[in-house]
Amino acid sequence: DTEVTQTPKHLVMGMTNKKSLKCEQHMGHRAMYWYKQKAKKPPELMFVYSYEKLSINESVPSRFSPECPNSSLLNLHLHALQPEDSALYLCASSQEGPGWDTQYFGPGTRLTVL
Amino acid sequence: DQQVKQNSPSLSVQEGRISILNCDYTNSMFDYFLWYKKYPAEGPTFLISISSIKDKNEDGRFTVFLNKSAKHLSLHIVPSQPGDSAVYFCAATDNQGGKLIFGQGTELSVKP
Repeated sequence: DTEVTQTPKHLVMGMTNKKSLKCEQHMGHRAMYWYKQKAKKPPELMFVYSYEKLSINESVPSRFSPECPNSSLLNLHLHALQPEDSALYLCASSQEGPGWDTQYFGPGTRLTVL
Repeated sequence: DQQVKQNSPSLSVQEGRISILNCDYTNSMFDYFLWYKKYPAEGPTFLISISSIKDKNEDGRFTVFLNKSAKHLSLHIVPSQPGDSAVYFCAATDNQGGKLIFGQGTELSVKP
């Protein structure tokens, strides 16, 4: 089983709203990732959690706030987003961490910021 | 600086024929390479990987070839099927905890 689940599938929010994206995996993986993907572009890494600790933050604006409550769950809290933040947000997990470790992606959350 | 390049944005192939998707990289520290397939509005699906100690890895209809001296890898799909129509991303990383670096993707269209 290589399933990563994400909720919600679609999200529309205003620029003053606060919302959260959720990601879950039950593969026993110890690394989890958030990526952002714009149309016809490759995924861009945002954050990496390794053993429930934030290990990489790719200089993401503070209006995006990640949280890893436990080794199976990863959240992305959103606040005061801009229309240009509209994108597909992908969660991924891997056995250990960045490096020789295959990352498995969830289906993504399609976010639209009005 | 694009460290992983897929120079063909699109490729069209007849059903039953071979599809060859190419990828070049510039960072000599990369030693693990992956191919992902992506349908619109879905997450990338892992297809196949290869480490730098090998020059070929095969899984069913999918074969990845790695030419380290040329810093080039390719994905062969034989025979191609209409369900293979998707965007294919090549990705590379190193064994030092480096990030996964993606190419720009190649959109494959397999026509019946």
